[in-house]
Amino acid sequence: KQEVTQIPAALSVPEGENLVLNCSFTDSAIYNLQWFRQDPGKGLTSLLLIQSSQREQTSGRLNASLDKSSGRSTLYIAASQPGDSATYLCAVRDAGGTSYGKLTFGQGTILTVHP
Amino acid sequence: EPEVTQTPSHQVTQMGQEVILRCVPISNHLYFYWYRQILGQKVEFLVSFYNNEISEKSEIFDDQFSVERPDGSNFTLKIRSTKLEDSAMYFCASSDGGRRTNEQFFGPGTRLTVL
Repeated sequence: KQEVTQIPAALSVPEGENLVLNCSFTDSAIYNLQWFRQDPGKGLTSLLLIQSSQREQTSGRLNASLDKSSGRSTLYIAASQPGDSATYLCAVRDAGGTSYGKLTFGQGTILTVHP
Repeated sequence: EPEVTQTPSHQVTQMGQEVILRCVPISNHLYFYWYRQILGQKVEFLVSFYNNEISEKSEIFDDQFSVERPDGSNFTLKIRSTKLEDSAMYFCASSDGGRRTNEQFFGPGTRLTVL
């Protein structure tokens, strides 16, 4: 059974810092990995999707990397801003014939960027 | 930009009552999902739906739950007899089903409160 863990559980940084969020998963047989952002009481916004064959994916100030064999992904946020404050979720889609895109989520990292 | 919509945003019901949560997936998507998030816990997969039938369901998705695509646009989750522990945020998601990407897009959620 796939388990996804995110470290740290919470992170507080001053504006302008570069930061790294970590995600690990127990079963390396995945199709892809998605990073989401969740604002309090809101839905999930997809930030980046990395295919299992890719090593990294970039969108603006965000860069996500994937090391499938070791079961790890990182989300790098450059030059953080107060508007980046949110919970960041990592989710994996398992490979395998019985999976139709079910995502398994980590518990999230709560990020606070203070001015 | 196309988005997944959900109604209502908040539903309050009495224990034992039936509720129907509604979702309108992105129009050209083929795969549909329901997830839930109990306050303070991980986002959990409930069910996936493709070609008018359930393709996968979790152990949470017991006989009290059902899903339906009653027309070409709506996708519903019905809970027949709600329990206190069904109180959660319920998210609908959709994807285009492409096995290379299958990026899932989430709606804003319905907060279900069972009293």
